Amino acid sequence: EDQVTQSPEALRLQEGESSSLNCSYTVSGLRGLFWYRQDPGKGPEFLFTLYSAGEEKEKERLKATLTKKESFLHITAPKPEDSATYLCAVQATGSGNTGKLIFGQGTTLQVKP
Amino acid sequence: EAGVVQSPRYKIIEKKQPVAFWCNPISGHNTLYWYRQNLGQGPELLIRYENEEAVDDSQLPKDRFSAERLKGVDSTLKIQPAELGDSAVYLCASSFPDGSRDLAGTSSYEQYFGPGTRLTVT
Repeated sequence: EDQVTQSPEALRLQEGESSSLNCSYTVSGLRGLFWYRQDPGKGPEFLFTLYSAGEEKEKERLKATLTKKESFLHITAPKPEDSATYLCAVQATGSGNTGKLIFGQGTTLQVKP
Repeated sequence: EAGVVQSPRYKIIEKKQPVAFWCNPISGHNTLYWYRQNLGQGPELLIRYENEEAVDDSQLPKDRFSAERLKGVDSTLKIQPAELGDSAVYLCASSFPDGSRDLAGTSSYEQYFGPGTRLTVT
């Protein structure tokens, strides 16, 4: 069964304290891995798509990496405005899985000034 | 560019009452998704439309849930009758086929979400 597990569930950082969020996945074949940011009361906001092991993408203080079993979202020198829930999702290969995202439960990040 | 629009943003109803949610996707996005997100969990797909056709409704509880996308643009998700366990955030997302394709023709899609409708059933 295709599955996504994120850790930790919650993370508290001081402003400027770098860290990483983990997303472990089990799929029969990976079509793509997606990272989203979700603020309270809002829908998920798209951040990155990763397609193959070794791929990396960056956006401001965020950097996403991908291996064959997991993805990391590295946050460098975070600011309070980076506080949010970060969701990881995968899309498996196979015609029956087209467009279907399987989400993890999310990591809630709090960055204190 | 306008994002995915959903209404209402909040809805409180008593159990056994009907409720409907509306979604207008991003212009040009032919694929539309309805997800349900329970508190502290990631979204779960309920139904996916390609234009007017529901191509994946395997996770939709068909005894009480229904959806339609009559002209291939706006969509409505309905629950009748609502149960206490239906309390959740209902998210609509849309996408435009813009990913790489493998030999089987399947593609990756970047999905863009609306703000959601928070449903409370009392």
